[in-house]
Amino acid sequence: QQPVQSPQAVILREGEDAVINCSSSKALYSVHWYRQKHGEAPVFLMILLKGGEQKGHEKISASFNEKKQQSSLYLTASQLSYSGTYFCGTEGYSSNTGKLIFGQGTTLQVKP
Amino acid sequence: DTAVSQTPKYLVTQMGNDKSIKCEQNLGHDTMYWYKQDSKKFLKIMFSYNNKELIINETVPNRFSPKSPDKAHLNLHINSLELGDSAVYFCASSQEWDSVHGYTFGSGTRLTVV
Repeated sequence: QQPVQSPQAVILREGEDAVINCSSSKALYSVHWYRQKHGEAPVFLMILLKGGEQKGHEKISASFNEKKQQSSLYLTASQLSYSGTYFCGTEGYSSNTGKLIFGQGTTLQVKP
Repeated sequence: DTAVSQTPKYLVTQMGNDKSIKCEQNLGHDTMYWYKQDSKKFLKIMFSYNNKELIINETVPNRFSPKSPDKAHLNLHINSLELGDSAVYFCASSQEWDSVHGYTFGSGTRLTVV
């Protein structure tokens, strides 16, 4: 089942912060985050495993609450280069390992 | 060296034709995937291959058939193309149980059926 992302779109000024949420209705083994710029391929940002862990990547970090089956991506002090569509991908507990199901995407636009 | 490469990058064809998209990865990954991205940017898993065996086969029309001659290649063959097949098709690869690196995507093939 497809995870749900919110918000669908965000417009920021450079230097502002944003949070993108990802929720699933099923138990999750892991959550991935990817960024896709227009006309390009999705690019891997980070993966979070069960255990409520947090990770950071430059000024982009994420958390995973496995009990709530939710993950959040935090973008701080946004830069123009952060613009793009962000996808969460979720992997559940099943015999079909590696089956990553993506959310519908959140479009982020950072303006000067 | 491109990690995951797809050819062709663009494909314009008429309804009813048969076409193939090729994908190769040089990362040594053991699993490869095909995703379809529609006009609303929804990324939908179509197939995946692990060590030359199909492990996921989503409810896609049987006009679509993946072919993997070895673990570095996963080609997608489409028969009797329809207008609704127009989309961007992404190949991706990963290493099973790798909890650090995620999926690596190819640059995509934009298929337009006219």
